[in-house]
Amino acid sequence: AQKITQTQPGMFVQEKEAVTLDCTYDTSDPSYGLFWYKQPSSGEMIFLIYQGSYDQQNATEGRYSLNFQKARKSANLVISASQLGDSAMYFCAIGGSARQLTFGSGTQLTVLP
Amino acid sequence: NAGVTQTPKFQVLKTGQSMTLQCAQDMNHNSMYWYRQDPGMGLRLIYYSASEGTTDKGEVPNGYNVSRLNKREFSLRLESAAPSQTSVYFCATQSGLGAKNIQYFGAGTRLSVL
Repeated sequence: AQKITQTQPGMFVQEKEAVTLDCTYDTSDPSYGLFWYKQPSSGEMIFLIYQGSYDQQNATEGRYSLNFQKARKSANLVISASQLGDSAMYFCAIGGSARQLTFGSGTQLTVLP
Repeated sequence: NAGVTQTPKFQVLKTGQSMTLQCAQDMNHNSMYWYRQDPGMGLRLIYYSASEGTTDKGEVPNGYNVSRLNKREFSLRLESAAPSQTSVYFCATQSGLGAKNIQYFGAGTRLSVL
């Protein structure tokens, strides 16, 4: 079984500042992937970034980076230089051998002008 | 390039009515999924289809049936809708290659059961 825990129901950040969204996971799969999705108020699910369990370096995609600490079982999302358009719900998810994704409950991020 | 298309976008049902949610993809992916999202919660897997001709139950399958009509289409049916099935339903696809299981989502169907 896989589990994702997101302990921050809501976060606020000032525009142009960096913010870290927390995610911890649990899995029995030796090979797995961590994912972050963004859900704006319009409702669609947008893939942001992926980290494989055997990847040596932390993943980066533009202003998004994933701080992967395997020993701590954490996969935090870092958004640099926050923009007003970053205000959204963010979901962490884990996938493994079963080819299914298990999602956390999400973090609502609000970027303040 | 439409990606993953869900129909309808909105639906209101009365308790006991039936309906089918449609999902079609043009990404040539093997795997397709149906999730529900309730307020304040993440997505929970209802059913999935790893490939054409196969379907499997997810975390919350009760009250639903699915059909993988062909590689492109995966439908979700509510035979007798209940208020507890009021939710937003998402279809997703995945290429199915290894652990890098990036899933791509449709825009969702918002369903209310009165």
